[in-house]
Amino acid sequence: GAVVSQHPSWVICKSGTSVKIECRSLDFQATTMFWYRQFPKQSLMLMATSNEGSKATYEQGVEKDKFLINHASLTLSTLTVTSAHPEDSSFYICSASKASANTGELFFGEGSRLTVL
Amino acid sequence: DAKTTQPNSMESNEEEPVHLPCNHSTISGTDYIHWYRQLPSQGPEYVIHGLTSNVNNRMASLAIAEDRKSSTLILHRATLRDAAVYYCILRDPRAGKSTFGDGTTLTVKP
Repeated sequence: GAVVSQHPSWVICKSGTSVKIECRSLDFQATTMFWYRQFPKQSLMLMATSNEGSKATYEQGVEKDKFLINHASLTLSTLTVTSAHPEDSSFYICSASKASANTGELFFGEGSRLTVL
Repeated sequence: DAKTTQPNSMESNEEEPVHLPCNHSTISGTDYIHWYRQLPSQGPEYVIHGLTSNVNNRMASLAIAEDRKSSTLILHRATLRDAAVYYCILRDPRAGKSTFGDGTTLTVKP
């Protein structure tokens, strides 16, 4: 099967600091990765689409300077929450689709819970 | 993105079949119908997907209407571990992103 791993699974930080979350596809190449955030009892909200070797495409209303996304290789994308504030506390989830797939199946990471104090 | 609509919640008794409906009246010819489920504090998990024909795998079955405007995820014997939020989404592999709706929260009673 295809495995996507996120790290860290949870993080607590002070307001004003930056936090980096990694998303790795462990056994396949992913030209495209997606980043979501999810608030309690709500659905996943797509934040951005991360393409290997190019700039990420952000959804409307998502600040690209606050949520920095880097997709430097076919197996790694990172999301950095800069100058985090309590309202950024959320569950962040990444997903990836196989470069070779023709049906678009998504493989999700375990999620990273961010708590900003 | 084509949209999907699902009931907010459903209940089932343990070891009984469950039919989770999804409407996608604006589906395009290249959209695949995907189902994922999410347990609390976990990332979503792939369940099944299909294009036109009904599909079966070890987890579930997917019944797709002939006009493809609706589909039904079938859990043949619900267990307590099947309690989750089930999402039906449309995926065009060429287009990339997909939007998640609110999903259906399935409660399984012992």
